[in-house]
Amino acid sequence: GQQVMQIPQYQHVQEGEDFTTYCNSSTTLSNIQWYKQRPGGHPVFLIQLVKSGEVKKQKRLTFQFGEAKKNSSLHITATQTTDVGTYFCAGPDRGSTLGRLYFGRGTQLTVWP
Amino acid sequence: EAGVAQSPRYKIIEKRQSVAFWCNPISGHATLYWYQQILGQGPKLLIQFQNNGVVDDSQLPKDRFSAERLKGVDSTLKIQPAKLEDSAVYLCASSSLQGSIGEQYFGPGTRLTVT
Repeated sequence: GQQVMQIPQYQHVQEGEDFTTYCNSSTTLSNIQWYKQRPGGHPVFLIQLVKSGEVKKQKRLTFQFGEAKKNSSLHITATQTTDVGTYFCAGPDRGSTLGRLYFGRGTQLTVWP
Repeated sequence: EAGVAQSPRYKIIEKRQSVAFWCNPISGHATLYWYQQILGQGPKLLIQFQNNGVVDDSQLPKDRFSAERLKGVDSTLKIQPAKLEDSAVYLCASSSLQGSIGEQYFGPGTRLTVT
C-alpha cells in the first residue's frame, strides 16, 4: 500500500527559530493533508493541498506541494511554544482521492523558551 | 457544532479479555473511520464506513476486531480477545466526504492498555 515518509522524526528548536518537516511519497499523490496533534491530544486538520506546486499560508505556517505531487513540506516561521506537537502528513492510497488516507510517522516538534 | 464523541476515554484490561469502544460522529457526517495509533506512530486506518456500509476494512484484524455502524450514525469497535500489542489509542474520525479528499474530524480517542 501507499506509504508517506516523513522526516525528521524529532526536531528541537528554540523559540523564534524556524522549523520545517518534509513528506515524501514514491507515487504521485492526488492530494495531501497535514494534521497537528498536541501532546495528549488528537489530530487536528490543518490544510489540504491538491494542485501541483501549490503553496498555502496560514499565518506563520507555509505548506507546499511539490511540482511532481510526490512531496510536501510544512514550514513554521519563528516558532512559538504553542507550536509544540506532532505534525503529520497524510496521503491517499493508490494516489486516488477514493483511497484510504495513510499517515506518516510524524515529526515531533519541541520548542523551548 | 459538537465534535466527535468517544467513550470511554481510558480502559485497562487483561489480555484475552474483551473491550468495546463507542463513537458518535459529527451530525450529518456520512463517513466514519476507526484508527489505531500506537505510541510514536501515525494513525493507522482500521475500518471506514460510508453511512452504515463498510468501505474499507482491509487493515482490520478480523479474527479479533469487529466494528458496526448499524443505523449509519454512531459506531462501536470491539476487540475480543485482546492481546498485549493492542495497547494503543483508538481514534474515531468523521467526514462529510468519502475517501481521502475530505477533512477528517477526530474524537479525543480511547487509550487502551492491555496487561
